[in-house]
Amino acid sequence: DAGVIQSPRHEVTEMGQEVTLRCKPISGHNSLFWYRQTMMRGLELLIYFNNNVPIDDSGMPEDRFSAKMPNASFSTLKIQPSEPRDSAVYFCASSYRPGRLNSKFRDNEKLFFGSGTQLSVL
Amino acid sequence: GENVEQHPSTLSVQEGDSAVIKCTYSDSASNYFPWYKQELGKGPQLIIDIRSNVGEKKDQRIAVTLNKTAKHFSLHITETQPEDSAVYFCAALGGYNTNAGKSTFGDGTTLTVKP
Repeated sequence: DAGVIQSPRHEVTEMGQEVTLRCKPISGHNSLFWYRQTMMRGLELLIYFNNNVPIDDSGMPEDRFSAKMPNASFSTLKIQPSEPRDSAVYFCASSYRPGRLNSKFRDNEKLFFGSGTQLSVL
Repeated sequence: GENVEQHPSTLSVQEGDSAVIKCTYSDSASNYFPWYKQELGKGPQLIIDIRSNVGEKKDQRIAVTLNKTAKHFSLHITETQPEDSAVYFCAALGGYNTNAGKSTFGDGTTLTVKP
């Protein structure tokens, strides 16, 4: 398996521009997460999807951020307009969550991260 | 909510020595404790995990211990090698139905192994 694939690896843009980050989760995984990593705030969960449906977006910093998951193999995180304080490494991660809520199988606990997108907003 | 504290923030050891990283958590309902290793330019990778019904788990040179009463858990790396140099994150996850992505992460420990 190729693992979680993110693109681009690096993105440099100017303040005010739209930025779109892309993620392909591991095939068969049904949960997808977007994280942001900075020195000041560490790893922050922005939003996560289960079976392509957004479950919790309470970590999305503001309306400039939006995320979509049109199908099980693709997700995007968009920032419009971008600001210098959005500069960070953005990670996508996926896991498998069993359908039964009280399942004995805890594989949903194992997160698999992509290599991240280093975003610099000038 | 859960709060995870991790110490130390940086750790430097000589090759061959042992390294210990400690984490404490606040939510007694947390029952799953993974450790992630993040190398430069890469995403975090799960290296070992432990559940609340187990006190210790070992995988070759890596071991994790858990003290539920004291609410702390530790990562032990023996016979360290230069390739162990990385940032290590602990995390805590609570509730039987809680999704993995809601794990609370520590702030990370930068481990440097000097050859």
